[in-house]
Order: sequence, then structure tokens, then C-alpha cells
Amino acid sequence: ETGVTQTPRHLVMGMTNKKSLKCEQHLGHNAMYWYKQSAKKPLELMFVYNFKEQTENNSVPSRFSPECPNSSHLFLHLHTLQPEDSALYLCASSQELGTGSGELFFGEGSRLTVL
Amino acid sequence: GQNIDQPTEMTATEGAIVQINCTYQTSGFNGLFWYQQHAGEAPTFLSYNVLDGLEEKGRFSSFLSRSKGYSYLLLKELQMKDSASYLCAVNNEDYKLSFGAGTTVTVRA
Repeated sequence: ETGVTQTPRHLVMGMTNKKSLKCEQHLGHNAMYWYKQSAKKPLELMFVYNFKEQTENNSVPSRFSPECPNSSHLFLHLHTLQPEDSALYLCASSQELGTGSGELFFGEGSRLTVL
Repeated sequence: GQNIDQPTEMTATEGAIVQINCTYQTSGFNGLFWYQQHAGEAPTFLSYNVLDGLEEKGRFSSFLSRSKGYSYLLLKELQMKDSASYLCAVNNEDYKLSFGAGTTVTVRA
């Protein structure tokens, strides 16, 4: 138990569907992240929020839309995805961007399959 | 850009020692992490180095040489449960972590 919970753990969707991934952290952290993990590739940073403000959008296609209503919750809204978007999506949190060691606490991920 | 290299796979026998190397070229450096990730699970923190030298934590040790852009993770007295992916990550000038592709370690009986 890392203190970061992601739902759903598995998701299968068609290219025309709209779905959302949810992340919640119970660690009192102020920074939250979305990473994409594909087989044999480095984790790709997608979005960063610090105190609910987006500080990074790493050239992510607009079919991925993040939302951070408060420091404890992070969403990733998905629409008109492509099969190559199939991957494990990891949420993480840290104390605060730019302070401390920057250690990340990860959720177990949402395994997304796009048909 | 960020460039972090580590071997793709390593295999070792139970009770043996394995060393996973990581070399990096990044824009700025604010520390290096090693994470362990079992299949289907979250990456979990193993170690953090910000100064040169060796950090020991039980069966696991991590070494850093900032001048060489090099780190290694040493796993001693390997156990079957150590079979996992090991991720090297560098905290760069933006205080965000950049990751290597991970090294899958398989421990055989």
C-alpha cells in the first residue's frame, strides 16, 4: 500500500469511447503526476500538477485531458484514443515540486487497452 | 534531453549477487533514485543518492559517481522475490524524475 490509489485497474475501450482514470492520494502531498509506461520503454512523464496548478504538459495529444480539482485527486479524461495509446498509466505524488528529494509515490496503475 | 541507460535484462541464481548499472546524461542533477517494480504492481522506492559514494540498506546498496554520470544498484544474497524490474531515475534541473527503461532481473533457483 503506497498511499496512492488508482481506479480502474483495467480498462478496455473502443476508439470512439470516452472514459476517465482516477487517482487519489492519502499522503498529504501537493504535487501529482501522470506517467505512461509502455513495454521496454522508459516511463514517459505526461502531466504535472503542483498545488492544483498544471506545471507540465509534455507534448501530450489533446485526446488526453487532465483534471486536478484538489491536491488529493487527479483525473485523466480519455476520448477518441488510438490503439498505440494502450499502456499502463501510472499516477504518482510527491511532497511538493522543487523541494526535498523529489521522491515519487506511485499508484499501481491503470492498464488501458484500446481496441 | 535526458538520456538514461541501463541493461534490459539480467539473470542470476538465488543467493548470488547482481549489479545493475545505470549511466545518465541529463540537464541538471538533483539526485538519483532506484525503484523496484514487480509485475502488475506500483514502482516502490529502493534508494536515493545525491552525493558520491555508496549507500547501503540491508541486502541492497546503491553507488553514485556524479563526475562519471554513473550509478549502480547492488543486490546481494538474491532471493526469488527479488525477481522484478529495477528502474533508474534522475531528478533533473526541473526537479522532475526522468526514468530509464528498466532492467528486468530474473532470479533462478
